[in-house]
Amino acid sequence: GQQLNQSPQSMFIQEGEDVSMNCTSSSIFNTWLWYKQDPGEGPVLLIALYKAGELTSNGRLTAQFGITRKDSFLNISASIPSDVGIYFCAGNYGGSQGNLIFGKGTKLSVKP
Amino acid sequence: DTEVTQTPKHLVMGMTNKKSLKCEQHMGHRAMYWYKQKAKKPPELMFVYSYEKLSINESVPSRFSPECPNSSLLNLHLHALQPEDSALYLCASSQGFNRGRGNTFGSGTRLTVV
Repeated sequence: GQQLNQSPQSMFIQEGEDVSMNCTSSSIFNTWLWYKQDPGEGPVLLIALYKAGELTSNGRLTAQFGITRKDSFLNISASIPSDVGIYFCAGNYGGSQGNLIFGKGTKLSVKP
Repeated sequence: DTEVTQTPKHLVMGMTNKKSLKCEQHMGHRAMYWYKQKAKKPPELMFVYSYEKLSINESVPSRFSPECPNSSLLNLHLHALQPEDSALYLCASSQGFNRGRGNTFGSGTRLTVV
């Protein structure tokens, strides 16, 4: 079945640093989504990307839909303690059974 | 109203109990989902309802029984669960199934089976 490779698995950074994480797929995706999940809560949608090459920002967050449609990255600039959490990429390839395929997540820890 | 509301937030049940998880959304979304999430893992799709009809059942054991009474409500009936079924159960909704517009998730029900 479809799989997404998300990296890194975890990151420990200092407050104020920039963060970058990415997802790759062996198949073409129609949509890339980035979610953040805090402990004990459901994932919250951060950014949605619908076109190859699309670059979208949401505050300090920027994400891009790769030109090949097989990858996406998420950047967080000037990290703050509340950025701590697990970030999931998710893709939709639009197949008949199509729903979201999730990456395994990137756990972000921020040291004040 | 851009929320998916799940109740209860926490549930502890014995292996012989019958309980139900409830989910509600008032965003006019026509697709609703149940996911199961184990610690440090991504959500795993269980069921999809599209226009109140069951579209996908991802080979979920029959001790989990979904129900969609109307376009705003989704239930998950639980019976004779096993300890390994302990997990965070997430409900989600989207404008339409397979439109790739992203799911809106609820906060989940933390289920513990004892």
